[in-house]
Amino acid sequence: KNQVEQSPQSLIILEGKNCTLQCNYTVSPFSNLRWYKQDTGRGPVSLTIMTFSENTKSNGRYTATLDADTKQSSLHITASQLSDSASYICVVSSLTSGTYKYIFGTGTRLKVLA
Amino acid sequence: DTAVSQTPKYLVTQMGNDKSIKCEQNLGHDTMYWYKQDSKKFLKIMFSYNNKELIINETVPNRFSPKSPDKAHLNLHINSLELGDSAVYFCASSQDIPSGGIDTQYFGPGTRLTVL
Repeated sequence: KNQVEQSPQSLIILEGKNCTLQCNYTVSPFSNLRWYKQDTGRGPVSLTIMTFSENTKSNGRYTATLDADTKQSSLHITASQLSDSASYICVVSSLTSGTYKYIFGTGTRLKVLA
Repeated sequence: DTAVSQTPKYLVTQMGNDKSIKCEQNLGHDTMYWYKQDSKKFLKIMFSYNNKELIINETVPNRFSPKSPDKAHLNLHINSLELGDSAVYFCASSQDIPSGGIDTQYFGPGTRLTVL
């Protein structure tokens, strides 16, 4: 069964600290993995997209890693800011019989405190 | 200018009614999507259109009917609304047909639908 699991469910950190969010998936066949940031009451915003051959990709203070062998990804946030408070969603896409499927994780809710 | 816009932002209606949500993108993208986010914040894709042609149609009740009058618009019509339809509906667009490569999706602000 295609699944995407994220951990932790929620996380509270102090401003300036680093944190790492995890995404494990059982999706097959694998096409790509995306990380989104969703602020409360807003639509998701794309942070990174990685294909099978990529194992790291950065977007400012956000760095995503992908281990296609273990089917794990992580999103590392460096020097957190109050504006990083949001939900972070991992999405894995799969191509099956010519049709793309998007399997969403349930997200990690991050709260950054001053 | 808002890249992907949706109207209305909020929609409160009675069970059994029919309602529509409109979406427009001014990015010149070829592909548009509808997503549903439930109360547990779980996002799920519903439909995708590429150049007015339906290319993704997940298991969605046929009370939901997308309409794409042109590639810049993808409207969602819902018949006989049920309590379980209450959710936030997001429209999104991307440059090309979903591929194994990079097709960044840009999301609208969402429409919060409440069915009473």
